[in-house]
Amino acid sequence: DAGVIQSPRHEVTEMGQEVTLRCKPISGHNSLFWYRQTMMRGLELLIYFNNNVPIDDSGMPEDRFSAKMPNASFSTLKIQPSEPRDSAVYFCASSDPRDRAKGTDTQYFGPGTRLTVL
Amino acid sequence: DQQVKQNSPSLSVQEGRISILNCDYTNSMFDYFLWYKKYPAEGPTFLISISSIKDKNEDGRFTVFLNKSAKHLSLHIVPSQPGDSAVYFCAASQVWDDKIIFGKGTRLHILP
Repeated sequence: DAGVIQSPRHEVTEMGQEVTLRCKPISGHNSLFWYRQTMMRGLELLIYFNNNVPIDDSGMPEDRFSAKMPNASFSTLKIQPSEPRDSAVYFCASSDPRDRAKGTDTQYFGPGTRLTVL
Repeated sequence: DQQVKQNSPSLSVQEGRISILNCDYTNSMFDYFLWYKKYPAEGPTFLISISSIKDKNEDGRFTVFLNKSAKHLSLHIVPSQPGDSAVYFCAASQVWDDKIIFGKGTRLHILP
């Protein structure tokens, strides 16, 4: 398996522009997570889905952020309009329900998208 | 309010010696703990985990110790190798919850 795939790997945009980050989870994984990593806050959970349904979006910083998961193999995180303080590395991760059933739940991370908002 | 705390942003250890990374948590409901390792320009990768029913779990050079009364866990790496230089994230969860809460990470430098 190719692992979790994220695109683009790098995104540079200007303040006010719309940004869309994409994620393809590992096949068979039914949970998908979006994280943001910054120096100040470390790795923080933004939102996660179970079976394509958003379960907890309490980490989404503002209404400018939105996430969708139209099917089991694709998710997007959108920022509109983007601001310089959104500059960070955004990670997508997925997890396997069989790991959870065994009590050994782990998450598999993609390589991340480094977002720079000028 | 940080539920998982890694109070040392960085740590330097001589190659061949023991590396000890520490982590504290505040939520007594956490019952599953993990360590992730992250290299630059890559996503975090799972390293080792421990359930709250245990106080130690070992995997090769890596051992995680859990002290539930102190709400503290530590990761020991023996012996430390140059490839161990990375950022290490401590994380915690509850078995019934899909969410994993991460600490801010500790950057480990292995010195030659």
